[in-house]
Amino acid sequence: HLQQSGPGLLKPSQTLSLTCTISGDSVSSNSGAWNWIRQSPSRGLEWLGRTYYRSKWYYDYAESLKSRITINPDTSNNQFSLQLNSVIPEDTAVYYCARGSSFDVWGQGTLVTVSS
Amino acid sequence: DIQMTQSPSSLSASVGDRVTITCRPSQSMNNYLNWYQHKPGKAPNLLIYSASSLQSGVPSRFSASRSGTDFILTISNLQPEDSATYYCQQSYNTPLTFGGGTKVEIK
Repeated sequence: HLQQSGPGLLKPSQTLSLTCTISGDSVSSNSGAWNWIRQSPSRGLEWLGRTYYRSKWYYDYAESLKSRITINPDTSNNQFSLQLNSVIPEDTAVYYCARGSSFDVWGQGTLVTVSS
Repeated sequence: DIQMTQSPSSLSASVGDRVTITCRPSQSMNNYLNWYQHKPGKAPNLLIYSASSLQSGVPSRFSASRSGTDFILTISNLQPEDSATYYCQQSYNTPLTFGGGTKVEIK
């Protein structure tokens, strides 16, 4: 089970911060991967990035967002987070966290609106 | 990046019909292909993984296969609750990418 939290309304140039709390699995699992995905009418489903642990932490990001995105694991709270800097209106979307490379478990989704 | 071309973009069919959705990747990717059902206001739901393996709990009227370079999702005996948008997704390499979606409407 994945439970998302974080604000849904931002102004342009602010930082988007979302957290995904994991239950029934571990963010430090050697077989897991933890993703952020968003959906908007203009972009469809878009994978943003992931983190996973294989004796050390790895991070993969969508090229178009590399300068603005950070995904961090939090082993103390069994969570992982998304930070997207300098948001613009085009970042308005429903954001999801999801497990794996075939996304078998999803968070409930968070509508994030960027508007002045 | 692997581009995923999905067709058709929408279809309308009757209860009991058999429908097929096709996904064509821009490059070879073995069978790292997954299918999802997405209903408004809900998170997408994994139907099929590794091209043809049915996810636990998914009705057996959903099936999938590969024909050459194309991947095909079939819904047999279409039910009213199958009204949704269906997406393919490749998990062969990053960036992980999705098809543009197929909206299935029940007549």
